[in-house]
Amino acid sequence: QVQLQESGPGLVKPSETLSLTCNVSGYSIFTGYYWGWVRQPPGKGLEWLGSIFLTGNTYYNPSLKNRVSISVDTSKNYFSLELTAVTAADTAIYYCARQLPRDAFDVWGQGTLITVFS
Amino acid sequence: QAVLTQPSSLSASPGASASLTCTLPSGINVGSFRIFWYRQKPGSPPQFLLRYKSDSDKQLGSGVPSRFSGSKDASANAGILLISGLQSDDEADYYCMIWQSSASVFGGGTKLTVL
Repeated sequence: QVQLQESGPGLVKPSETLSLTCNVSGYSIFTGYYWGWVRQPPGKGLEWLGSIFLTGNTYYNPSLKNRVSISVDTSKNYFSLELTAVTAADTAIYYCARQLPRDAFDVWGQGTLITVFS
Repeated sequence: QAVLTQPSSLSASPGASASLTCTLPSGINVGSFRIFWYRQKPGSPPQFLLRYKSDSDKQLGSGVPSRFSGSKDASANAGILLISGLQSDDEADYYCMIWQSSASVFGGGTKLTVL
């Protein structure tokens, strides 16, 4: 059974870089699928941040393209998100998810709350 | 990037059917896209419900009951999620999504109240 688990700092200061990891168990991220990040500000809707394919090809939300970076660890079964120059507007629950190529997110992590707080 | 429009809220009675819409902007033909639907209950991550492009290109998510189905209204340029036999457990937020120009795009979500 595929499971995803996000991990991160919980609190980040404004202007700093947010780094999150998503540990995948029960499935090799190098077998196929895209792997993506979606966030949800408190009380608001879902926003796709970006996705990465096993070849290293990345796809980013144009509204965040200059701030977001997604990578995979070639030695371990996880992928990561970096978001630079965070502000209070980046406060959200961040989810990692498995994505069928150019298709739906079919398996989700439980999410991790990130608060940008000075 | 496309903006998908969903009604902010919808109410329906137990046992009835609910039709949730996801309207694509003009200039983007709904017929060209797979529409993905998710359900999110408070405190939980979204759950993939189904994918619908046409009657020959559709799929329910794993474990999703057949009372959830998809369709399209070409005249309204909209995707539709139909939930039949509403249960109190269906009360949740519902989101649509498309993959367009190498990007995933979510609608703003509809809060479904069953009362």
